[in-house]
Amino acid sequence: GQSLEQPSEVTAVEGAIVQINCTYQTSGFYGLSWYQQHDGGAPTFLSYNALDGLEETGRFSSFLSRSDSYGYLLLQELQMKDSASYFCAVKGGSQGNLIFGKGTKLSVKP
Amino acid sequence: SQTIHQWPATLVQPVGSPLSLECTVEGTSNPNLYWYRQAAGRGLQLLFYSVGIGQISSEVPQNLSASRPQDRQFILSSKKLLLSDSGFYLCAWVGTLSYNEQFFGPGTRLTVL
Repeated sequence: GQSLEQPSEVTAVEGAIVQINCTYQTSGFYGLSWYQQHDGGAPTFLSYNALDGLEETGRFSSFLSRSDSYGYLLLQELQMKDSASYFCAVKGGSQGNLIFGKGTKLSVKP
Repeated sequence: SQTIHQWPATLVQPVGSPLSLECTVEGTSNPNLYWYRQAAGRGLQLLFYSVGIGQISSEVPQNLSASRPQDRQFILSSKKLLLSDSGFYLCAWVGTLSYNEQFFGPGTRLTVL
């Protein structure tokens, strides 16, 4: 089967750094994506890793280790607006479709 | 630029009634289109995807069906809604230039009573 595991909730304070981990099990793997979803809104794309290593985009970075079937999203200099749910998604299977984790709800406190 | 529309934004329907949700994409051609459902506080479940007109693949057998009558139109339907069909329905597309990024529409929040 195919599954993704990520923590259900994380709490941090403004200005801090938080890491959201994701482990996956899938038949066929093309890459790991991260999406952000604010309450009531649609998911928006944050990053995609196809190869091992760290990808940095502003305050957000994403890491992938294919050998460990593991990745993480790193959010630095947290702001209140970063309070949202974050989903990891594996591009895999026979059709290369996205399989989403259940999401991690991040709450940023003052 | 590309945009994706969904309507209606919210919908309350009685059990046993039919359903039709529409999704249209502008500014791109021949996109891959997807329908997802998200239950409250849960992840996204892929329901259907389409790589072209008239081509529909179902990921989860259930009470719903999908159709793609035009290149940039994707429709989700049901003949008789169940309580378990309640959720947030999201349409998404992937373009030919960036297969790794999915763009989501604003969603339809469906409540079946």
